[in-house]
Amino acid sequence: DAGVTQSPTHLIKTRGQQVTLRCSPKSGHDTVSWYQQALGQGPQFIFQYYEEEERQRGNFPDRFSGHQFPNYSSELNVNALLLGDSALYLCASSLNLAETQYFGPGTRLLVL
Amino acid sequence: GENVEQHPSTLSVQEGDSAVIKCTYSDSASNYFPWYKQELGKGPQLIIDIRSNVGEKKDQRIAVTLNKTAKHFSLHITETQPEDSAVYFCAASIQADSWGKLQFGAGTQVVVTP
Repeated sequence: DAGVTQSPTHLIKTRGQQVTLRCSPKSGHDTVSWYQQALGQGPQFIFQYYEEEERQRGNFPDRFSGHQFPNYSSELNVNALLLGDSALYLCASSLNLAETQYFGPGTRLLVL
Repeated sequence: GENVEQHPSTLSVQEGDSAVIKCTYSDSASNYFPWYKQELGKGPQLIIDIRSNVGEKKDQRIAVTLNKTAKHFSLHITETQPEDSAVYFCAASIQADSWGKLQFGAGTQVVVTP
């Protein structure tokens, strides 16, 4: 049973650049949520995708956008990167918008 | 919106002792409360969860209790082992409204010393 996978594992960018992170949900899951986890803090909800649509969004600026594909995988895009965007980006999947979410290992983004 | 507070921020216990982590939430509409364990360099791992229609749930050495009146819930780990050392996060969600958006606490660093 394949768990949630994310790529890449690590990424280094400079201020102003754009980045795309990828997520494949757990086998059989169709809902993907993205979270940002700054060092020493709990994850913060960015947005959730279901049926290829953004269903819920947290308090993040429009620089953060996403997409879900027909195979349920998802991408997180961040434009005009700021130093403060440095964090661990986590993807979580669930079935049919259910509350139980399973997390991937995350992508560590460093913005210089 | 929902706010979740978690205490303590760090917890040191001797192997074999019990560990208790407490969380409070602000929105009485919250109805789902998971606990996650996060080891260094890894993503959060779901270890136990409880829904608002249940007061207590147990899974081997781990148990969670929920007090809806006081709006707090706790994680209990008995007979702690060195492999229990990790950061533990509580979270709350309003399933009927937020489609599963999880609001996390700040985390508790648990250190189990042999």
